[in-house]
Amino acid sequence: EIVLTQSPGTLSLSPGERATLSCRASQSVSSNYLAWYQQKPGQAPRLLIYGASSRATGIPDRFSGSGSGTDFTLTISRLEPEDFAVYYCQQYGSSPITFGQGTRLEIK
Amino acid sequence: VQLLESGGGLVQPGESLRLSCAASGFTFSSYAMSWVRQAPGRGLEWVSSISGSSTGTYYADSVKGRFTISRDNSKNTLYLQMNSLRAEDTAVYYCAKASRYCSGGSCQPRYYFENWGQGTLVTVSS
Repeated sequence: EIVLTQSPGTLSLSPGERATLSCRASQSVSSNYLAWYQQKPGQAPRLLIYGASSRATGIPDRFSGSGSGTDFTLTISRLEPEDFAVYYCQQYGSSPITFGQGTRLEIK
Repeated sequence: VQLLESGGGLVQPGESLRLSCAASGFTFSSYAMSWVRQAPGRGLEWVSSISGSSTGTYYADSVKGRFTISRDNSKNTLYLQMNSLRAEDTAVYYCAKASRYCSGGSCQPRYYFENWGQGTLVTVSS
């Protein structure tokens, strides 16, 4: 099973700042099959990024994904008030599908 | 795309429950589907997936032998039969539509989740 470790656990930033979230895999993610989701309280997760770097439909271009192998990054270039939420990475390259434990992005 | 879960509730340890997910807005039989759960205050955990034609079913070790995923493509509905429920199964259960990659006239599932239902809460407690 691939274990995904996200860091930091909590990130405190101000609107307009740049956010960098990390997801590290315990072994290489096949074909860079890594996705990122955003979840707000009381809501279902929303797909942001798939294939490590492809934006999902309707996702603003301030969200970008990068990385390969075992190290992946989600970058939010300029934080908007609605971006403060919990973010999860997920690998779908091998079974079982696994999620990271999440990074909470909070307003400083 | 709409996914609407139902069937959650409060049950005692050892009891059973069946969740349903009614799908609309896409060709249901063409897409693999999954269940993902989230315990209160915790992260996301993949539970089970099923291919579009039901030929392939997959389970997390934590539920294997107790949960059964199925689908009725004539009713555009996904199911999760949960038996021998435990306190640690307490969670919001989300139905999720997997993506797919199509090339040369054939399509293969990609198990990242483009669409999610609103979730249904299952509480296992005596």
